[in-house]
Amino acid sequence: GENVEQHPSTLSVQEGDSAVIKCTYSDSASNYFPWYKQELGKGPQLIIDIRSNVGEKKDQRIAVTLNKTAKHFSLHITETQPEDSAVYFCAALWTGAQKLVFGQGTRLTINP
Amino acid sequence: DAGVIQSPRHEVTEMGQEVTLRCKPISGHNSLFWYRQTMMRGLELLIYFNNNVPIDDSGMPEDRFSAKMPNASFSTLKIQPSEPRDSAVYFCASSLGTPIGAFFGQGTRLTVV
Repeated sequence: GENVEQHPSTLSVQEGDSAVIKCTYSDSASNYFPWYKQELGKGPQLIIDIRSNVGEKKDQRIAVTLNKTAKHFSLHITETQPEDSAVYFCAALWTGAQKLVFGQGTRLTINP
Repeated sequence: DAGVIQSPRHEVTEMGQEVTLRCKPISGHNSLFWYRQTMMRGLELLIYFNNNVPIDDSGMPEDRFSAKMPNASFSTLKIQPSEPRDSAVYFCASSLGTPIGAFFGQGTRLTVV
């Protein structure tokens, strides 16, 4: 089956700096990779996703890059703000079972 | 649209009692997913429905768990009897077709004492 590893588990950055979270996946057939943001007491919210036919996607201060050969993808947040503090989850679509398999999450803290 | 709506938001129950969690998916979405979130195991898919039919329930931990989707706008996840190790946050999510673009509800925090 699919396995998704996410690093780091915690990340602390100064406001205004960039944050990078990385994930690796095992199923080479996976073709969809979303990122979710979960704030305290709320459900995960889809913030950006990428499909396997592109290498990078940007949406304002967030971007995701995908390296299919190496089977890893990353979330980049630039000019971080306090409201970016949350737990971030990566996921990969396990095509065989049509399931999203999630990484373990990264707790991002933005220090003012 | 109000998004995916789950109830109750919090549930505290005694071991052995029956617990029913409820979910209303986004109107027009035909796929519905139940997830469980714990510190130890992260987000795990329990079951998913497509067009009200259970497609994959391989994530359901044991026979104490059951889920139904009697119509396109309502689903339940039932635990009977509940045990302390069932304590977790349970999320419902919905999407159009595949899990791509799935929207999550706010979750139900279940505590079994």
